[in-house]
Amino acid sequence: LAKTTQPISMDSYEGQEVNITCSHNNIATNDYITWYQQFPSQGPRFIIQGYKTKVTNEVASLFIPADRKSSTLSLPRVSLSDTAVYYCLVAAGDYKLSFGAGTTVTVRA
Amino acid sequence: ETGVTQSPTHLIKTRGQQVTLRCSSQSGHNTVSWYQQALGQGPQFIFQYYREEENGRGNFPPRFSGLQFPNYSSELNVNALELDDSALYLCASSEEGLAGIETQYFGPGTRLLVL
Repeated sequence: LAKTTQPISMDSYEGQEVNITCSHNNIATNDYITWYQQFPSQGPRFIIQGYKTKVTNEVASLFIPADRKSSTLSLPRVSLSDTAVYYCLVAAGDYKLSFGAGTTVTVRA
Repeated sequence: ETGVTQSPTHLIKTRGQQVTLRCSSQSGHNTVSWYQQALGQGPQFIFQYYREEENGRGNFPPRFSGLQFPNYSSELNVNALELDDSALYLCASSEEGLAGIETQYFGPGTRLLVL
């Protein structure tokens, strides 16, 4: 399993863009990169998934460089409700995996 | 579309007791995974069930066992509870268990406290 490294925490203000970078140096050829968001006392919620280059949906963008050894989750114009823990996972359709400690994002007014 | 539901929401047990947690998967999903999340940590994979068969297991002892029923709902059983079993137990359902990069949909969890 590709191990991931993320910052422990990040602070931001409402309206700013938040970029969280995840390192996964040992990513395998068939691994995908998936990001989840978790609020206190709730289960994680899928945000976005990608394999290479850039993926965008209604809530976030995921940037993956050509070597795929890292990825960056971009949250545009965050609000207070985006305060949560964000997890980066790398796996190949095999969810025999565990989440790391994640990145706690705190958005302030 | 009904989401993933779990019961009970909270539970208090004493050391040595047994507990059963329940999960109803999202409509159309045939795969259920269980996770344990200790305070301040990320979820840790316990095991996964696909069409009523165990489809993988994490680093948890045999006293953690499970079942999946024909309607794809699932149970997590923990015997001989230990204090360290206190955690949020999460159930996640997905559409396929054997291939593809399926998205997992998590329930709200069951908060277990072992005294």
